[in-house]
Amino acid sequence: SQTIHQWPATLVQPVGSPLSLECTVEGTSNPNLYWYRQAAGRGLQLLFYSVGIGQISSEVPQNLSASRPQDRQFILSSKKLLLSDSGFYLCASTVGTGNEKLFFGSGTQLSVL
Amino acid sequence: GEDVEQSLFLSVREGDSSVINCTYTDSSSTYLYWYKQEPGAGLQLLTYIFSNMDMKQDQRLTVLLNKKDKHLSLRIADTQTGDSAIYFCAETVGDYKLSFGAGTTVTVRA
Repeated sequence: SQTIHQWPATLVQPVGSPLSLECTVEGTSNPNLYWYRQAAGRGLQLLFYSVGIGQISSEVPQNLSASRPQDRQFILSSKKLLLSDSGFYLCASTVGTGNEKLFFGSGTQLSVL
Repeated sequence: GEDVEQSLFLSVREGDSSVINCTYTDSSSTYLYWYKQEPGAGLQLLTYIFSNMDMKQDQRLTVLLNKKDKHLSLRIADTQTGDSAIYFCAETVGDYKLSFGAGTTVTVRA
């Protein structure tokens, strides 16, 4: 079965500091990978998705970036965090022959102070 | 369009049935989904339905799909305290993306 590892679970960072969140997937190969952000009390906003190594699609222009250096590794980064980057970040991976199922990691709660 | 709409709150008595409603806009969506999120956790896939189906039942969960009205519902029979959570409706958009609603917070009262 597929497992999505996402860390850290919580993170407190000062404004202007860099960010690196890592997500790794086990139990599947060549998945589609996603980064979502959930602001407090709100729905999910798709930030980036990737259909293969080195292939990144950005949904929302902002000071975040994503990279996929390996098939089952997806990294979310920022050079300088803003207050508005605070939120709950979720990594997700597709499963299924038609990639019809999307499974989520346990999330990272990021607070930028 | 990619707007998925659902009511924000639902309060239900323990043992009663819960019905959570959702409307979506993309008539070409292939699959529609229900996810459950408990506090501080990621989203758990509860069930999903292929767009050519009208209904899907899985134990206490029943999904109804009305493609004509672009309406999706989730019925939870015999609602328990452990069902208290936020429930998200989602639709496929294009080949690779899911669009989510804002979530319905379900509170189960004794």
